[in-house]
Amino acid sequence: KAGVTQTPRYLIKTRGQQVTLSCSPISGHRSVSWYQQTPGQGLQFLFEYFSETQRNKGNFPGRFSGRQFSNSRSEMNVSTLELGDSALYLCASSLAPGQGVKLFFGSGTQLSVL
Amino acid sequence: DQQVKQNSPSLSVQEGRISILNCDYTNSMFDYFLWYKKYPAEGPTFLISISSIKDKNEDGRFTVFLNKSAKHLSLHIVPSQPGDSAVYFCAASTGNQFYFGTGTSLTVIP
Repeated sequence: KAGVTQTPRYLIKTRGQQVTLSCSPISGHRSVSWYQQTPGQGLQFLFEYFSETQRNKGNFPGRFSGRQFSNSRSEMNVSTLELGDSALYLCASSLAPGQGVKLFFGSGTQLSVL
Repeated sequence: DQQVKQNSPSLSVQEGRISILNCDYTNSMFDYFLWYKKYPAEGPTFLISISSIKDKNEDGRFTVFLNKSAKHLSLHIVPSQPGDSAVYFCAASTGNQFYFGTGTSLTVIP
């Protein structure tokens, strides 16, 4: 069974540009969540999607958005990039949201904003 | 507001000895706790979990302890091996959202 696939693995952008990251969950998983990892900050929750609907959103500005498609694949978009957006963006999938679920993570997209 | 805290950014342990990684949380609504292990350039991988109705869960060399009254979680690795060198994240869930700590970098010295 293939794991969570994130593309691209690395991305370099300049300030003011926008970027779209992609995530394909494990087959059969319908819940996808996104996290930002920066040194010293751990994993910060961005948002979670289930059945094409955003269930939860973390404390990030509106420049960060996402969506989920009918095949459970998800994309996140960051507009008007800032230097502070440089981070590892991780996608995680699970069968469904709820108690006792485990998250399965992709390898992440390393975004560098210059 | 960091609801899950790992106060030790790093830990070094000799091979064969016990590694103890600690985690504190503030939200008494958390009912499920997990540990993830992360190697450089890879995503976190699930290690072990514990429900709030238990105080201990064991899986091979890994044991997680939960002290609900102290809001404290710990991961014991016995014996530690060089391949265990990685960053360890604890996480807590309300069933609605996961909250992660900032990670502890474990180095096991051969």
